[in-house]
Amino acid sequence: AQSVTQLGSHVSVSEGALVLLRCNYSSSVPPYLFWYVQYPNQGLQLLLKYTSAATLVKGINGFEAEFKKSETSFHLTKPSAHMSDAAEYFCASDRGSTLGRLYFGRGTQLTVWP
Amino acid sequence: GAVVSQHPSWVICKSGTSVKIECRSLDFQATTMFWYRQFPKQSLMLMATSNEGSKATYEQGVEKDKFLINHASLTLSTLTVTSAHPEDSSFYICSARDWGGSSYEQYFGPGTRLTVT
Repeated sequence: AQSVTQLGSHVSVSEGALVLLRCNYSSSVPPYLFWYVQYPNQGLQLLLKYTSAATLVKGINGFEAEFKKSETSFHLTKPSAHMSDAAEYFCASDRGSTLGRLYFGRGTQLTVWP
Repeated sequence: GAVVSQHPSWVICKSGTSVKIECRSLDFQATTMFWYRQFPKQSLMLMATSNEGSKATYEQGVEKDKFLINHASLTLSTLTVTSAHPEDSSFYICSARDWGGSSYEQYFGPGTRLTVT
């Protein structure tokens, strides 16, 4: 069963522009949600996570995401894109389980134009 | 921060041979580790959950006899791809959960690129 859906496999923005990467989740139990970034041929780095403490989550590198239960969304944003933000971004869910397994979306490739 | 290493970082093997990939938590104990597979330009697919001292739990559709997982210590899990074939070529990534810290923090290894010729 699909746990998270990332809308848009590719997003392109100009340097300095707003970054918006979309993620919707599907879970009967409120899940914990994560955003990870992956640079070519590397593992994943955690950007931020939602663990029900606060709906607006701030992460590293100026990224933040807002958990909206009514929209079942957890979109990732950054006010001003930087060239170094170009990478693959993955949204992940634990499906509401405490076992630690993560289920990833298909990923969104972010391109930043100078 | 917690560090997870993988060895080797890349490996090329001939069809029919077996390959072992190691995943180590360097500065924390990980009773649970996870193995993922990633095809080019695709997402990570959870293969199995590795628990120290017990049998791994495999996700549906993953051949447990093909992908042998051993978690012999609190800092080491291994994935052995047996009788590898070209379709097993992929990027394999492990992660480890640090129960001593945030219970919802997973740390990912840098990945292992497997190419089967």
